[in-house]
Amino acid sequence: EDQVTQSPEALRLQEGESSSLNCSYTVSGLRGLFWYRQDPGKGPEFLFTLYSAGEEKEKERLKATLTKKESFLHITAPKPEDSATYLCAVQGFYGGATNKLIFGTGTLLAVQP
Amino acid sequence: DADVTQTPRNRITKTGKRIMLECSQTKGHDRMYWYRQDPGLGLRLIYYSFDVKDINKGEISDGYSVSRQAQAKFSLSLESAIPNQTALYFCATSDNAGAGETQYFGPGTRLLVL
Repeated sequence: EDQVTQSPEALRLQEGESSSLNCSYTVSGLRGLFWYRQDPGKGPEFLFTLYSAGEEKEKERLKATLTKKESFLHITAPKPEDSATYLCAVQGFYGGATNKLIFGTGTLLAVQP
Repeated sequence: DADVTQTPRNRITKTGKRIMLECSQTKGHDRMYWYRQDPGLGLRLIYYSFDVKDINKGEISDGYSVSRQAQAKFSLSLESAIPNQTALYFCATSDNAGAGETQYFGPGTRLLVL
């Protein structure tokens, strides 16, 4: 069964203190791994798509990496405005054309000034 | 203006009532989705539609129905609401771009069933 596990569930950082969020996954053929940011009361906001092991993508203070079993979201010198829940999702090659996303439960990040 | 909009943003209803949540998009995408989000469970797929004539059940479709009125509009109905349908509901869209389809989400509807 396809599954996504994110850790830690919650992370508190001081402003400027770099860290990483983990997304471990099992999927029957990876079509894509997605990272989203979700602010309270809002919909998930797309950040990155990764397609194959070894791939990396960056956006401002965020960098996403991918291996065959997990993805990391590295946050360098975070600021308070980076506080949010970060969601990971995978999409596999399913019979038919499901394009279903399997989501993890997210990591709640709090960055204190 | 937002690419994916949802109405209403908040709704309180009573057990047994029929309600409809609406989603509109201006992204020009063919594919639309309805998810619900519950604390500790993540986002789960309710229904999805690849075009106006193609509607499919997701993993938790029981108690829900949908209607794709046009390419840009996808509605979710709760025929007889029950308290465990209290959740955040999100609409999403994507296009068929080959490798890994990115889905773009609306702002959500917070539903409370009393």
